[in-house]
Amino acid sequence: ETGVTQSPTHLIKTRGQQVTLRCSSQSGHNTVSWYQQALGQGPQFIFQYYREEENGRGNFPPRFSGLQFPNYSSELNVNALELDDSALYLCASSRTQRDTQYFGPGTRLTVL
Amino acid sequence: AQTVTQSQPEMSVQEAETVTLSCTYDTSESDYYLFWYKQPPSRQMILVIRQEAYKQQNATENRFSVNFQKAAKSFSLKISDSQLGDAAMYFCAYPNTGTASKLTFGTGTRLQVTL
Repeated sequence: ETGVTQSPTHLIKTRGQQVTLRCSSQSGHNTVSWYQQALGQGPQFIFQYYREEENGRGNFPPRFSGLQFPNYSSELNVNALELDDSALYLCASSRTQRDTQYFGPGTRLTVL
Repeated sequence: AQTVTQSQPEMSVQEAETVTLSCTYDTSESDYYLFWYKQPPSRQMILVIRQEAYKQQNATENRFSVNFQKAAKSFSLKISDSQLGDAAMYFCAYPNTGTASKLTFGTGTRLQVTL
């Protein structure tokens, strides 16, 4: 059984640019959640997708957006990047919206 | 607002010894789950153990066990026979019970394992 995968592993962007991060959910999972983890902190919930619809959102501005595809993989898009967006972005998948979440290895985003 | 508190920023344990990491949480829910996740330097968040609040029996997974005190809203993790590979950040997490299962994490405890 393949676990949660994320791409790319690392990414460097400049302020004002746009970025897309990708996540493939674990087999049999229809829900994907995204988290932002700043250095030295616990992850913060960005949003969750369930069956291709956004199903809850944390305290993040609209320039953070996402998609979920029919195969339940997902994208996180961030527009107008700011320096504070530099963080580890974690994707987690679960069997349903309220089931245990299993995490991918993360994407390290650096904004210069 | 739901909060999760880990009061020990760092802990150290000798190999083969036992260590307990503390976590308290705040909720008005009666039925919920609690989780401990481990994040080694490789960064991947790995599920260590899950506790269901309606179960009185404390969860165990091999060398990992919890001490769940529902009335006190306390959820500590005990690691027995510590190994070098246990060195990592440990996060306690609580999911809300709304439509979207948003996990709220504590600030983490860094565990060092020494020889």
